[in-house]
Amino acid sequence: GAVVSQHPSRVICKSGTSVKIECRSLDFQATTMFWYRQFPKQSLMLMATSNEGSKATYEQGVEKDKFLINHASLTLSTLTVTSAHPEDSSFYICSARDSRTGGDTQYFGPGTRLTVL
Amino acid sequence: GIQVEQSPPDLILQEGANSTLRCNFSDSVNNLQWFHQNPWGQLINLFYIPSGTKQNGRLSATTVATERYSLLYISSSQTTDSGVYFCAVERTGGSEKLVFGKGTKLTVNP
Repeated sequence: GAVVSQHPSRVICKSGTSVKIECRSLDFQATTMFWYRQFPKQSLMLMATSNEGSKATYEQGVEKDKFLINHASLTLSTLTVTSAHPEDSSFYICSARDSRTGGDTQYFGPGTRLTVL
Repeated sequence: GIQVEQSPPDLILQEGANSTLRCNFSDSVNNLQWFHQNPWGQLINLFYIPSGTKQNGRLSATTVATERYSLLYISSSQTTDSGVYFCAVERTGGSEKLVFGKGTKLTVNP
């Protein structure tokens, strides 16, 4: 089946630093990837849609200058949390669709737990 | 936007029991997926089921698109079934965005 990986799985950083999270589709190509955020005991909220070779589309209320998204290839999207603050601490999850099959199923990565001190 | 409501919010079962989880949605959809989020946070695809009925082992799901609901059935539950079950939908004509319900937290006791 389709596999999506994320790296790192867990990161702790100091306030004011930037953190990059990678999302890779391992056995399929994805022109579109999605970034979600999940706070403890809550549901997933879509942050942005990452489009290969073009700018990401951000959901309302998500600061595009704070959460930088780069989708440089058909198998890799990155999310950079810039000047992180404690309120950015959360579980970040990416997903991807298989572009070749054109299917609607989204496959999710294992998530990255970010803690900002 | 489309609203997704899941019920019950919490469910506690004894091992071996059966259960039904419900997902109601407020608009027509062309994508509906059920996920199981394990204790480590990984979302596991259970079903892609915008309509009809599917079965996979002890799990089955039915979506009645015309009535805007989906059901997930778990039979002979096991402790490993514990976790949070999410329903997520994509509105017909929407831009591939999945909207998640708040989930059902299932605890299966031995």
